[in-house]
Amino acid sequence: GQQLNQSPQSMFIQEGEDVSMNCTSSSIFNTWLWYKQDPGEGPVLLIALYKAGELTSNGRLTAQFGITRKDSFLNISASIPSDVGIYFCAGLRNYGGSQGNLIFGKGTKLSVKP
Amino acid sequence: DGGITQSPKYLFRKEGQNVTLSCEQNLNHDAMYWYRQDPGQGLRLIYYSQIVNDFQKGDIAEGYSVSREKKESFPLTVTSAQKNPTAFYLCASGDLGTGELFFGEGSRLTVL
Repeated sequence: GQQLNQSPQSMFIQEGEDVSMNCTSSSIFNTWLWYKQDPGEGPVLLIALYKAGELTSNGRLTAQFGITRKDSFLNISASIPSDVGIYFCAGLRNYGGSQGNLIFGKGTKLSVKP
Repeated sequence: DGGITQSPKYLFRKEGQNVTLSCEQNLNHDAMYWYRQDPGQGLRLIYYSQIVNDFQKGDIAEGYSVSREKKESFPLTVTSAQKNPTAFYLCASGDLGTGELFFGEGSRLTVL
């Protein structure tokens, strides 16, 4: 079946550092999305990308829809403590109807360096 | 305030018992979804419903059941047939045509 390979699985950040994570697949997707999950909460949508090559920002977050439509990356600039959590990528394939096939990556866990 | 409400947030169950998780939304979304989350795993789709009185199985529907009698409500029953029910369960509503989902705060089920 379709799978998304999200990396890294986990990373430690120090306040002020830039962070990068990415998602790749062997399949083409129509839409890429990035969600963040705080501990004990449900995921919240951060950024949605709808066109190959699209680069979109949301505050300190920047995400890109890969030109091949098989990958996406998320950058966080100048990280702050509240950036910790789990970041999920998700790829969507539409089959002509309203119901798409949404696949989630396994997540990148961001923690603060001890 | 608009949103999705899941209850209970924590639930303990003995083996062999059925348990029902509640999900209510006031976002006026037609579609609602149930996902299961295990540590280190992504979100796996259990069931979804695009309209009242209709629902479809997701990737891991075995051992679960749902109903959709009202637009606002989509309860999930974890039956005794589910072999490994301990997990974090997430309800969502939104538009799977765009992938933009709104999630509840989750329900953590522990089987003792």
